[in-house]
Amino acid sequence: EAGVAQSPRYKIIEKRQSVAFWCNPISGHATLYWYQQILGQGPKLLIQFQNNGVVDDSQLPKDRFSAERLKGVDSTLKIQPAKLEDSAVYLCASSFPGPNTGELFFGEGSRLTVL
Amino acid sequence: GDSVTQMEGPVTLSEEAFLTINCTYTATGYPSLFWYVQYPGEGLQLLLKATKADDKGSNKGFEATYRKETTSFHLEKGSVQVSDSAVYFCALSDPFEGAQKLVFGQGTRLTINP
Repeated sequence: EAGVAQSPRYKIIEKRQSVAFWCNPISGHATLYWYQQILGQGPKLLIQFQNNGVVDDSQLPKDRFSAERLKGVDSTLKIQPAKLEDSAVYLCASSFPGPNTGELFFGEGSRLTVL
Repeated sequence: GDSVTQMEGPVTLSEEAFLTINCTYTATGYPSLFWYVQYPGEGLQLLLKATKADDKGSNKGFEATYRKETTSFHLEKGSVQVSDSAVYFCALSDPFEGAQKLVFGQGTRLTINP
């Protein structure tokens, strides 16, 4: 079974530039998450989708971050304009629908460096 | 809000040593508790979980017991191997906050020397 796919794996940009990350979840997983992991910290939830609807985006900095999930499958996370403090690994995860099991399946992440 | 606190790392042990990584939590409701592991070059993956008080989760020789009275979920292994070198994250999911929303601790890097 194919896992969660993310791209690009690495990206280096200058501050005020824009960047986009792509995620393809495991087939059949209705729930998709984007997490931000700053060096030395645990992952922090940015946004959670159920199919193509947003369940929780309370910690998404909406002045610069946006995310969409087209047709309830792939998702894109965009940052525009980037700040130095956005340097982090952006993790995409997906899970089965249904009762809370807590098992999320993570991709390898996209590492962003903002100079 | 909900939070998870893990022991500071990094932790370095010799092969076959006993491992404990401490984890405590605060939550509004009655959370489920998890340990996730991130091996070098790989994504986070679920190691074990416990969904109610006094439950014990176990996998790959690792164990953790859900202690409601001490709000803890410490990870233990009796004899570690070099292949256990990884970053370990304690996490909770609070149904009061919404299904399958994980809150993570800061992670503990474990290195096992042969």
